[in-house]
Amino acid sequence: GIQVEQSPPDLILQEGANSTLRCNFSDSVNNLQWFHQNPWGQLINLFYIPSGTKQNGRLSATTVATERYSLLYISSSQTTDSGVYFCAGIIQGAQKLVFGQGTRLTINP
Amino acid sequence: EPEVTQTPSHQVTQMGQEVILRCVPISNHLYFYWYRQILGQKVEFLVSFYNNEISEKSEIFDDQFSVERPDGSNFTLKIRSTKLEDSAMYFCASREQGISIGYTFGSGTRLTVV
Repeated sequence: GIQVEQSPPDLILQEGANSTLRCNFSDSVNNLQWFHQNPWGQLINLFYIPSGTKQNGRLSATTVATERYSLLYISSSQTTDSGVYFCAGIIQGAQKLVFGQGTRLTINP
Repeated sequence: EPEVTQTPSHQVTQMGQEVILRCVPISNHLYFYWYRQILGQKVEFLVSFYNNEISEKSEIFDDQFSVERPDGSNFTLKIRSTKLEDSAMYFCASREQGISIGYTFGSGTRLTVV
């Protein structure tokens, strides 16, 4: 079955808007991380968030491990926030990350 | 902040040629990984490396692929005879001992096989 599932697949917003990206993960997955892939293809670590809430500037993330989901919040979006956002988790009993399909965020000026 | 460094950033090679992608993980990290992302798709696990040996590999990581840690700092991925479908972004990642910390990814090498 699907181990890490992200929604929505695409999100188009105007600059200044707020957004919420969702990641659902199966029982076999833990230790969530969020990444931003910029237009040049680089993967930027945003949060390592196995549970609870973290904030970094305009970005914050919450993971509710018991309900198998994580949310990434972006407030006051800027055009530089555009790109693909991936969540990924570690497969239990293995040492590898499994990624979701990503949410492509486009922030228009 | 410590970084994982990958070189080159972009490589173009002819089909059938060998390529070596290079990575310098963070110095106190013990676990090393290669991941691949075909254009427009999600990031896929290739191989993990610990204590100078492969600890896990995916179905993608067939006999044409190999990894090596030739010295105390570099971690390489070799593709022996490249195919068109090997065109992708290749990411190196590393992490410390213990599961309670995230992975750090390099900025990737974009491999184009022509």
